[in-house]
Amino acid sequence: DAGITQSPRHKVTETGTPVTLRCHQTENHRYMYWYRQDPGHGLRLIHYSYGVKDTDKGEVSDGYSVSRSKTEDFLLTLESATSSQTSVYFCAISGGTGYYEQYFGPGTRLTVT
Amino acid sequence: AQSVTQPDIHITVSEGASLELRCNYSYGATPYLFWYVQSPGQGLQLLLKYFSGDTLVQGIKGFEAEFKRSQSSFNLRKPSVHWSDAAEYFCAVGGQTGANNLFFGTGTRLTVIP
Repeated sequence: DAGITQSPRHKVTETGTPVTLRCHQTENHRYMYWYRQDPGHGLRLIHYSYGVKDTDKGEVSDGYSVSRSKTEDFLLTLESATSSQTSVYFCAISGGTGYYEQYFGPGTRLTVT
Repeated sequence: AQSVTQPDIHITVSEGASLELRCNYSYGATPYLFWYVQSPGQGLQLLLKYFSGDTLVQGIKGFEAEFKRSQSSFNLRKPSVHWSDAAEYFCAVGGQTGANNLFFGTGTRLTVIP
């Protein structure tokens, strides 16, 4: 299994509070991604990174920001959480030996009350 | 525009029966195609991938998929399903563009009955 961890694994927060999710990899892969998974929508890309300090928006980026100050860490921040951001968030990485496939972390279940 | 369609939301099969999960894609360049499996409460695991060459690709857990360019399809098959195959299956398409971005279908949930 690819060395990807996500923290926290579960979080309950209140509307309007800031939340930061962390993705950590030990594979030294160039690319990192944040997805959200919701019933009936599959996985939708929020933001991705193609190197340290190089990030770009995905399909559903509104309300989210990201940062990547080190190769191994990719942070997803909800500046002011809303109930519509209740979801399961997955981090993924790619760019290793199997260059084009993505490998996924275990996910973070976020509930915004 | 890139997109993936998995027309079957939920499929139920008997243990030992054959399985085929459908996937149709739309992609403007040469597609790279993937199937992932997700067990309840888990992340996604790569089952198999197609980049080029032989259009029938073998994956883990006895799964295979066939790429048909004329039909824009990449259907997943297994000749004999086991109870442990019950999970959700996602088809994805990507290519040599951007940062290896993938586009996922909405998934097919597989139930296996004894």
